Amino acid sequence: GDSVTQMEGPVTLSEEAFLTINCTYTATGYPSLFWYVQYPGEGLQLLLKATKADDKGSNKGFEATYRKETTSFHLEKGSVQVSDSAVYFCAPGGGGSYIPTFGRGTSLIVHP
Amino acid sequence: DADVTQTPRNRITKTGKRIMLECSQTKGHDRMYWYRQDPGLGLRLIYYSFDVKDINKGEISDGYSVSRQAQAKFSLSLESAIPNQTALYFCATGGPGEETQYFGPGTRLLVL
Repeated sequence: GDSVTQMEGPVTLSEEAFLTINCTYTATGYPSLFWYVQYPGEGLQLLLKATKADDKGSNKGFEATYRKETTSFHLEKGSVQVSDSAVYFCAPGGGGSYIPTFGRGTSLIVHP
Repeated sequence: DADVTQTPRNRITKTGKRIMLECSQTKGHDRMYWYRQDPGLGLRLIYYSFDVKDINKGEISDGYSVSRQAQAKFSLSLESAIPNQTALYFCATGGPGEETQYFGPGTRLLVL
């Protein structure tokens, strides 16, 4: 079945630092790829997505590019804020099965 | 108003008790899912339903059952709760032709 490997956290950064959270996956075919974010005390919500190879998803200053050759979908942000402190989940969408596979999540802590 | 609601938000119960967690959605989606989240393990799929007459086991269905009472309602039951079912439970929905999932705020369950 599909699988996802995310870098382990917590990732601790100072405000305005550059963020990278690595994500690699194995999947049948070429599913859509997602990053979800979970703020403290809340459910997951979609952060960004990419539906085909070389697509770049972006939202709230975060970006991730669908790399078919390396089966990766790394999340980046040029300058993090304290309000970005959350848990981030990488997830291939499951293709036609509509059963996504979630990574274990990476906790991000941003200090002022 | 939230599109996906879960009740209760917090629940404490004792070993052996039967409890039900409820999920309602106003998005008109056919697909509904139940996940549990444990620290360090990410999200694991318990059950899912692609329409009112469709129920499928997920990765960790043992000890759980579900009921899809209507398109908008999907309930999760723990027939005889045990302490290792202590976790955060999420309901999610999915819309037609898209792989994005929409999550409720979660139910925090403690089994003593």
